[in-house]
Amino acid sequence: DAGVIQSPRHEVTEMGQEVTLRCKPISGHNSLFWYRQTMMRGLELLIYFNNNVPIDDSGMPEDRFSAKMPNASFSTLKIQPSEPRDSAVYFCASRGGSADTQYFGPGTRLTVL
Amino acid sequence: GESVGLHLPTLSVQEGDNSIINCAYSNSASDYFIWYKQESGKGPQFIIDIRSNMDKRQGQRVTVLLNKTVKHLSLQIAATQPGDSAVYFCAEKGSNDYKLSFGAGTTVTVRA
Repeated sequence: DAGVIQSPRHEVTEMGQEVTLRCKPISGHNSLFWYRQTMMRGLELLIYFNNNVPIDDSGMPEDRFSAKMPNASFSTLKIQPSEPRDSAVYFCASRGGSADTQYFGPGTRLTVL
Repeated sequence: GESVGLHLPTLSVQEGDNSIINCAYSNSASDYFIWYKQESGKGPQFIIDIRSNMDKRQGQRVTVLLNKTVKHLSLQIAATQPGDSAVYFCAEKGSNDYKLSFGAGTTVTVRA
């Protein structure tokens, strides 16, 4: 099992640019979570998908953030326009069936200059 | 609001000794608890979990203890190795919830 796959692993961009982060959940998992991790705020849940449908996006910071899950094997998190305060590590996690255990990807370290 | 928190932010342990990492939770409705290990530059890695109908669960070199009376969770690592150096997070979930609520994390440093 390849685990959760995220790309890119590192992204450096300038303020105002669009950033797209990608995630491939573990095959067969039907729940997907996007998190943001910073030193100040720890791990924050941004959005939760179940069966490709967004269930809870209350953690999305503002309208500049959007997430999609067009199919069971792919999700994107987009920031447009990006700002320096968006600099963080973004994690994707997936969970299968009725299980409670979430499995995390390696993360994308985003730096906005 | 209710949250999960850790008693100690850092722990230094001698290689070969046992480590104990503590976690307090306040949501009495939580029925699932999990420990993650996060090494530098990596994502949180599942270590072990436990449900509220248990008070102890063992894995390979790790044991999780749950004390529902005082709402306390601990992770014990036997014969700590240099590779155990990482940040350890506890998390909990309510019975009808999908969210994991994470603690702040404890940094464990293993001394050679």
